Amino acid sequence: QSALTQPASVSGSPGQSITISCAGSSNDIGRYSYVSWFQQHPGKVPKLIIYDVDDRPSGVSNRFSGSKSGNTASLTISGLQPEDEADYFCSSFTSSSILLFGAGTKLTVL
Amino acid sequence: QVQLVQSGAEVRDPGASVKVSCKASGYIFTEYDINWVRQASGRGLEWMGWVNPRSGNTGYARQFQGRISMSRNTAITTAYMELRSLRSEDTAIYYCARWSCSSTSCWLDPWGQGTLVTVSS
Repeated sequence: QSALTQPASVSGSPGQSITISCAGSSNDIGRYSYVSWFQQHPGKVPKLIIYDVDDRPSGVSNRFSGSKSGNTASLTISGLQPEDEADYFCSSFTSSSILLFGAGTKLTVL
Repeated sequence: QVQLVQSGAEVRDPGASVKVSCKASGYIFTEYDINWVRQASGRGLEWMGWVNPRSGNTGYARQFQGRISMSRNTAITTAYMELRSLRSEDTAIYYCARWSCSSTSCWLDPWGQGTLVTVSS
């Protein structure tokens, strides 16, 4: 099964909002609410920032929000801050009982 | 607090095997599956499979079938991932992560600190 599709890179200026898309299929994102997003800074462990499509773990800023429409999930970061510069990965459970990840999106804060 | 602590870095020759451990603490070990994910340098995350600590049941990603084994020791709340017939492309950081679930969804959290496995002659 192919990886979920994310843009390779996105960028934005401090204070702006950006959205990262994650395209899947009716066998994964379209079927389940098991969509998560992870933030990873260089040399660090991936950090869960969104689960269950649009829920935030305790301690994660409300500037991070998630959504889903059809077979595509999205992560929106509002009020961009320099520390948001990182790689972002989406994931989804699939009908084959496996977990798929996107290839990752590098966010640059200009 | 819920924590997963992995074993240290490993170096192996091509064709050899490696076994990475993941020590769980702060929760009831048998109530949550442990998943394994790897990441080659500069690359994305690749899901490898899961082990159910209560039953010992496992599930593996198709690309690893035949050369991967996941197991656990409930007495010491530790999960293991063994990869055999190593090749240079297996050089990566290997992470364990707990599969946490609510009534509507599941997700990977927390993660271990990662174990670097280097395959080189």
